[in-house]
Amino acid sequence: QVQLQESGPGLVKPSETLSLTCSVSGVSISRTSYSYYWTWIRQPAGRGLEWVGRFFASGSTQYSPSLKSRVAMSVDTSENQFSLKLTSVTAADTAVYYCVAGGLVGATGADYFDYWGQGILVTVSS
Amino acid sequence: SYVVTQPPSVSVAPGRTASITCDGNNIGSKSVHWYQQRPGQAPALLIYFDSQRASGIPERFSGSKSGSTATLTISRVEAGDEADFYCQVWESSTDHVVFGGGTRLTVL
Repeated sequence: QVQLQESGPGLVKPSETLSLTCSVSGVSISRTSYSYYWTWIRQPAGRGLEWVGRFFASGSTQYSPSLKSRVAMSVDTSENQFSLKLTSVTAADTAVYYCVAGGLVGATGADYFDYWGQGILVTVSS
Repeated sequence: SYVVTQPPSVSVAPGRTASITCDGNNIGSKSVHWYQQRPGQAPALLIYFDSQRASGIPERFSGSKSGSTATLTISRVEAGDEADFYCQVWESSTDHVVFGGGTRLTVL
């Protein structure tokens, strides 16, 4: 049973850096066979889903074109966690952030999201 | 950038069939995935690879694709099906995920 849990500050000041961690259980992030995409998705209140970015076991990362200049994802295999950093935040970055896993690396079109964390609300405000 | 369009809302009476569409240029060449998000919950995978039901999803939920439109069909709609539904594709030209804007299903 794959489980994900987000953690981090719920309040970030404008212009500062948002940092979140996702703790994973039930599967190793570093698994190289039948490996998942490890992803962040966000959702502003009352609005739709926005993909932030993903990485996979080879170390490759892919980011949303609209956020690419401000986003970085990293992994801590010893803790089986992955992280998100979003710099220079504004009120527009206020959202519920989900860490998500799923799909199948290397399989064409297999970029769906099987497993979701419960989400963490991050508010950008002074 | 690539855009997939969903109707903002769909209403249906209990027991009837609801269809939620997802339109996108050349969507026929992409794999379409669908999610259900109940109020206050994280989204959950419903359909992947256009028409494959995720684990535990009832047969009442089905997916199809034709031309530039993918469709999620919910048969014998129940009150518990009320939720927001999202389609999702991968845009290979710019290597990123695209979600539709979401459709709120209301059971009358």
